[in-house]
Amino acid sequence: EVQLVESGGTLVKPGGSLRLSCAASGFTFNSAWMSWVRQAPGKGLEWVGRIKSKNDDGTTDYAAPVKGRFTVSRDDSTNTLYLQMNSLKTEDTAVYYCTVEEHGDYVTYWGQGTMVAVSS
Amino acid sequence: QLVLTQSPSASASLGASVNLTCTLSSGHSNYAIAWHQQQPEKGPRFLMKVNSDGSHSRGDGIPDRFSASSSGAERYLTISSLQSEDEAHYYCQTWGPGIRVFGGGTKLTVL
Repeated sequence: EVQLVESGGTLVKPGGSLRLSCAASGFTFNSAWMSWVRQAPGKGLEWVGRIKSKNDDGTTDYAAPVKGRFTVSRDDSTNTLYLQMNSLKTEDTAVYYCTVEEHGDYVTYWGQGTMVAVSS
Repeated sequence: QLVLTQSPSASASLGASVNLTCTLSSGHSNYAIAWHQQQPEKGPRFLMKVNSDGSHSRGDGIPDRFSASSSGAERYLTISSLQSEDEAHYYCQTWGPGIRVFGGGTKLTVL
């Protein structure tokens, strides 16, 4: 059974930093492409960023609103996905979901999400 | 620009069928999409992928009451024999090199 367990969400001040983690199990993590997707309160889903498997060069891509501030990384030795968030803004307030792209394109599994609130 | 458009809301009666539509932006009518369901107060779950020819593949444990089809730039999700637990938001998703896009979502109300 695929399991994705996010952690690290909390209340942080504007301009602050935060790192989210996602512990993955139930699939071959080192060959999976992984993405972060967020959902602001009462709003729809917004893609944040994606990291390819190391076999597929391990590169990352980001949505325009977070490019240059957020970094997706992975540790294949511990099956963990990370999202480093810097220079946080109030508009980054959202539930952040860790997701698997089994086929390297669309999400096939979702985590339960972790809440990040950016407020002074 | 790759954009997905969904109607904000839809409704249908218990036991009936409903079609939800996701429209791809101009120049992207051959793109595949994925459908996701988000029940109230829950995280999303993947329902199925739909190709431009209407062929589709469901996610793990998704009942065959959920099906899909395509016509031009439109991708459809059909839910038959509606149940109360089908009341949810439904999002379509597509992708391109270095980008993933979600539609705005459709809130389905089961009457």
